[in-house]
Amino acid sequence: SQQGEEDPQALSIQEGENATMNCSYKTSINNLQWYRQNSGRGLVHLILIRSNEREKHSGRLRVTLDTSKKSSSLLITASRAADTASYFCATDQKDMRFGAGTRLTVKP
Amino acid sequence: KAGVTQTPRYLIKTRGQQVTLSCSPISGHRSVSWYQQTPGQGLQFLFEYFSETQRNKGNFPGRFSGRQFSNSRSEMNVSTLELGDSALYLCASSLTRQGSPVGYGYTFGSGTRLTVV
Repeated sequence: SQQGEEDPQALSIQEGENATMNCSYKTSINNLQWYRQNSGRGLVHLILIRSNEREKHSGRLRVTLDTSKKSSSLLITASRAADTASYFCATDQKDMRFGAGTRLTVKP
Repeated sequence: KAGVTQTPRYLIKTRGQQVTLSCSPISGHRSVSWYQQTPGQGLQFLFEYFSETQRNKGNFPGRFSGRQFSNSRSEMNVSTLELGDSALYLCASSLTRQGSPVGYGYTFGSGTRLTVV
């Protein structure tokens, strides 16, 4: 069973625009992680935010976590065509479960 | 440092056969997890091994099994293959076990694409 659920399922934007993806989960967590996957390859770890953190930045990525609402968001600023990929959130509680992902398409 | 290595990359098997997939984690990583990814079901957790012990298991039948060796390398075995087992099997390694209060990110391999015909 999946723990995190991403929203939207698909997102299409123009290069240079910002992309925001959301993740909701059901139970308490130790941390929440975001991953990127290109075309059926392995997942790449982007960022980890712990349950006692509210916001974290890494380059063009900004992640927020609201444990009271059991939700997180991933913001990619100034998107590039190379950001085209599927993005997954994963919640690490007893075990690590992934959502269904958001398919992001960035048009040049 | 070398990443997570999964072998083979592609595999075609016939229904009823069995298959063994291999995963070599990043040096020093003691946790190895396996996931099955299909278009319909997404990423499904199979099991996690930490220090040669299976810690967690997902909702898969007993045909799916695994093990971890003392050097942290892991193998996953699927017996009596079914058409529905066709999927991308991903292995991921980490310093800490899943659910650890001090968690780290996971490094994934490129996966083994299994096709059952």
